[in-house]
Amino acid sequence: QVQLQQWGSGLLKPSENLSLTCAVSGGSFSGSYRSWLRQPPGKGLEWIGEINQSGSTNFNPSLKSRVAISLDTSSAQFSLRLSSVTAADTAVYYCARLEFKSGWYFFDSWGQGTLVTVSS
Amino acid sequence: EIVMTQSPATLSVSPGERATLSCRASQSISSNLVWYQQKPGQAPRVLIYGASTRATGIPARFSGSGSGTEFTLTISSLQPEDFAVYYCQQYTTWPPMYTFGQGTKLEIK
Repeated sequence: QVQLQQWGSGLLKPSENLSLTCAVSGGSFSGSYRSWLRQPPGKGLEWIGEINQSGSTNFNPSLKSRVAISLDTSSAQFSLRLSSVTAADTAVYYCARLEFKSGWYFFDSWGQGTLVTVSS
Repeated sequence: EIVMTQSPATLSVSPGERATLSCRASQSISSNLVWYQQKPGQAPRVLIYGASTRATGIPARFSGSGSGTEFTLTISSLQPEDFAVYYCQQYTTWPPMYTFGQGTKLEIK
């Protein structure tokens, strides 16, 4: 059973940079993609971006200019950096693993979520 | 960008009854459709992938159907633990993009 444990800064001021890390345990770190998603309070989910085991990344075009995702295979961790945050970036941020099964993709394992609040 | 629209926003159903949730894509997505359940304070949990395949450990009362632009999640006999928010999600493989519907809140009538 794959488990994801995430941590990072929870309270930021406008223009600061958001930084979160997710550790994967209980399964293979290789293969498939690992993603970051977010959910503003009371709202739906938004995909931020993903990284594979080779370090190749893909991003949501709406956030691409401010997002970086990196990988540390030695410690089975991956990280999110979102620059120049505003109040609109206030959300619960999740890391998740993308599973590929029988020809289909889905997010099968999720971190516990981290509430990030942007306020002056 | 493909837009996912779920209806209704809120569905009130009594325990033991059947619930039918809808999801529509703004353009055809074949069967690249996933359903998640989310309870307050928890991360989403996958229920259905490939539009109709139940994920591991998901009870048989959950079923998914549809292809193209119209999809349905049916819960045949609601249990108390089924009252939650349900999201549909589509994906495209190139360029990779994953978009969610706005959710349907299933509440106890």
